[in-house]
Amino acid sequence: DAKTTQPTSMDCAEGRAANLPCNHSTISGNEYVYWYRQIHSQGPQYIIHGLKNNETNEMASLIITEDRKSSTLILPHATLRDTAVYYCIVTYSGAGSYQLTFGKGTKLSVIP
Amino acid sequence: KAGVTQTPRYLIKTRGQQVTLSCSPISGHRSVSWYQQTPGQGLQFLFEYFSETQRNKGNFPGRFSGRQFSNSRSEMNVSTLELGDSALYLCASSFSAGINEKLFFGSGTQLSVL
Repeated sequence: DAKTTQPTSMDCAEGRAANLPCNHSTISGNEYVYWYRQIHSQGPQYIIHGLKNNETNEMASLIITEDRKSSTLILPHATLRDTAVYYCIVTYSGAGSYQLTFGKGTKLSVIP
Repeated sequence: KAGVTQTPRYLIKTRGQQVTLSCSPISGHRSVSWYQQTPGQGLQFLFEYFSETQRNKGNFPGRFSGRQFSNSRSEMNVSTLELGDSALYLCASSFSAGINEKLFFGSGTQLSVL
């Protein structure tokens, strides 16, 4: 799996957009970018994933640069419940099995 | 739709004992994978099962094993427990685990080895 680099921690004011960056400069053409988050004492929660195009769902938006070497997860209106560790993962998702290789992630603190 | 269910939620064992953890995936999901989470190593992949077959295995000793039943429920077993096996064990399920899939995680089993 390609390696990802994320900031260790970030703060965001409640109600503002949270922009979480991720570098994945060695990503291959068939590798997806996934984002998960983990709230304390719970299992990770899937947020969003993409291959080349920007993606949006009810939770967040994923912006992938044209060269695919970096991406940004955007939480449009952060709430206190968004305080969590956010993991950016790049993994091959082809035929057969795949696994997620979690890094240290970014600890996002949403401040009232 | 019920989520991924892991039992028990907490477990305390002593060194040398063995332990079995259980995971019930989301209805209709056929792939189950297991992860170990510790403060030092973070989240690490253990193994993945699909249709009762282990398809992928992480870098863990043979003391860690698992199986999947015909109803997709899965169990993992750790024999001859060591202090370092103390961790949160997470189970995740997905429909097929292959192309463009997302994993749904349970709340985990917190294992403490004394």
